[in-house]
Amino acid sequence: SQTIHQWPATLVQPVGSPLSLECTVEGTSNPNLYWYRQAAGRGLQLLFYSVGIGQISSEVPQNLSASRPQDRQFILSSKKLLLSDSGFYLCAWGAQSYEQYFGPGTRLTVT
Amino acid sequence: SQKIEQNSEALNIQEGKTATLTCNYTNYSPAYLQWYRQDPGRGPVFLLLIRENEKEKRKERLKVTFDTTLKQSLFHITASQPADSATYLCARLPDGGYQKVTFGTGTKLQVIP
Repeated sequence: SQTIHQWPATLVQPVGSPLSLECTVEGTSNPNLYWYRQAAGRGLQLLFYSVGIGQISSEVPQNLSASRPQDRQFILSSKKLLLSDSGFYLCAWGAQSYEQYFGPGTRLTVT
Repeated sequence: SQKIEQNSEALNIQEGKTATLTCNYTNYSPAYLQWYRQDPGRGPVFLLLIRENEKEKRKERLKVTFDTTLKQSLFHITASQPADSATYLCARLPDGGYQKVTFGTGTKLQVIP
């Protein structure tokens, strides 16, 4: 069966510091991968999605970037965090039948 | 842009009753509508998918309808239980491509014992 991992689970970072969140998927090949952000009491905002290694589509222009160095690895990065980057970050993979399966999430607080 | 809206932010119902959640979309009908459950501090969990040409889909105590005339999907939980308390998200796809899913803001359901 498929499993999706995210780490860290929680993170507190000062403004201006860099960020690296990692997501890995097991049990499937060539998955569509997604990064979402969920602000407190808000819906899911799609940040990036990838249909293959090195193929990244950005949905929201901001100081975040994503990379997919391996088939089942998806990384979310920032060079300098802003206060507005605080939120709950979720990685997901998309099945061929269109449903999405989410990781446990990373709670990021920028101070 | 294509929007998807869940009009009720919160819904409280008595245990044993049927909970009905509403999801409305704008512009063209999506090929698929999905429903997810999200518990606090957790990622959403996929529940049901309904296709544009399907009127209704069922899974155990869950039922989803898709009305392309009203541009609406209804999500029903029959014989609701306190364990059903969670936020329920609807989602549409495709939205610019089959790779993309657009989520609503969710309805927080509270089932009162």
